[in-house]
Amino acid sequence: GDSVTQMEGPVTLSEEAFLTINCTYTATGYPSLFWYVQYPGEGLQLLLKATKADDKGSNKGFEATYRKETTSFHLEKGSVQVSDSAVYFCAPGGGSLAGNNRKLIWGLGTSLAVNP
Amino acid sequence: DAGITQSPRHKVTETGTPVTLRCHQTENHRYMYWYRQDPGHGLRLIHYSYGVKDTDKGEVSDGYSVSRSKTEDFLLTLESATSSQTSVYFCAISRPGGSDEQYFGPGTRLTVT
Repeated sequence: GDSVTQMEGPVTLSEEAFLTINCTYTATGYPSLFWYVQYPGEGLQLLLKATKADDKGSNKGFEATYRKETTSFHLEKGSVQVSDSAVYFCAPGGGSLAGNNRKLIWGLGTSLAVNP
Repeated sequence: DAGITQSPRHKVTETGTPVTLRCHQTENHRYMYWYRQDPGHGLRLIHYSYGVKDTDKGEVSDGYSVSRSKTEDFLLTLESATSSQTSVYFCAISRPGGSDEQYFGPGTRLTVT
């Protein structure tokens, strides 16, 4: 079945460090891919997305590239800030785009803590 | 920000009582979802709706029912609350024809004592 695997957290970095959070998935066809972020005590927010192979999604300094050949969508940021401390979720689309089964596949999330 | 509200935001209830959570959207999106979030389990889909009066079960639907009598409202009912249903509940919406991204409400923290 469709699934997603994220690197386990917690990830702890110092401010201005480089961030990579790995994400690989198995899904039917070539789904859209998403990264969501959840700040403490809040709901999930869409961080970035990519809808086809080789697309690069970017937002707030974060980037991720849709790699069809490796079924991966790793999240990167060149210089993290304390305010980036949150839980990050990789979520490929699951199910058929032609039907009513329009769901996202959710992993467990990766907790990031950035220290000053 | 997508116009999604959830009510109540916090609730404490006793085991065995029925509870209804409400999700309201102002976006006129067709798809609506109820999730629960628990430590160690990530997000799990309870039920979803693909139109008025059209709903289907998710992966953890036992003990929950839903109703959608109009586009903007999606209700989640715990028939008889149990302590295992203590969780944070999120509503989400998405629209057909897009790339399937979902937009989330602020969540409801439910405690069953």
